[in-house]
Amino acid sequence: NAGVTQTPKFRVLKTGQSMTLLCAQDMNHEYMYWYRQDPGMGLRLIHYSVGEGTTAKGEVPDGYNVSRLKKQNFLLGLESAAPSQTSVYFCASTAVLGTPYEAFFGQGTRLTVV
Amino acid sequence: AQKVTQAQTEISVVEKEDVTLDCVYETRDTTYYLFWYKQPPSGELVFLIRRNSFDEQNEISGRYSWNFQKSTSSFNFTITASQVVDSAVYFCALTEDSISNFGNEKLTFGTGTRLTIIP
Repeated sequence: NAGVTQTPKFRVLKTGQSMTLLCAQDMNHEYMYWYRQDPGMGLRLIHYSVGEGTTAKGEVPDGYNVSRLKKQNFLLGLESAAPSQTSVYFCASTAVLGTPYEAFFGQGTRLTVV
Repeated sequence: AQKVTQAQTEISVVEKEDVTLDCVYETRDTTYYLFWYKQPPSGELVFLIRRNSFDEQNEISGRYSWNFQKSTSSFNFTITASQVVDSAVYFCALTEDSISNFGNEKLTFGTGTRLTIIP
């Protein structure tokens, strides 16, 4: 029972490099989210998606892009990484029906930008 | 705008003591959901409870209990007879509820309380 899987779990980038974080869920959830967690700031919503092919900005979207080409996958891209994007990134998904309002989280991706 | 405040940054208690984690929220919505999540040292987020704004009954689950009071906009979490395994960061979170938002759990998190249980 995989739930929500994030790839990779750890990554170190140099300033200016690009990368893509992958989130995959096997629960057929409609909604998916990307959060970042910084010390003393809790989790903040970066982008979210309410369905395949649709995305929307969250609280802190600058410097990130996302895509939801398949229902089960939600990709978070950093085009030109900056040290301020050093953080732990969490992906989450929720269902419309069944157990709404309970977000299932991935295990997190620890990203360091040097 | 929604806001969740967890004023206690860090708490340390000796094992077997009771401890209460405070959560105060702000929202203009009349219908909303409140949550508590646990983040152990391993880093994952573990769902603990969901409470909707129309249900003010206190809830107890084993050693855990939650006190929801709309009059004070608080949703406090108490651990009774604490154990070392309870050591973690605990987050309180809030999401609004509307037809257009159904199932869309855009959570607003508090900054978390780091709880350390001393053996």
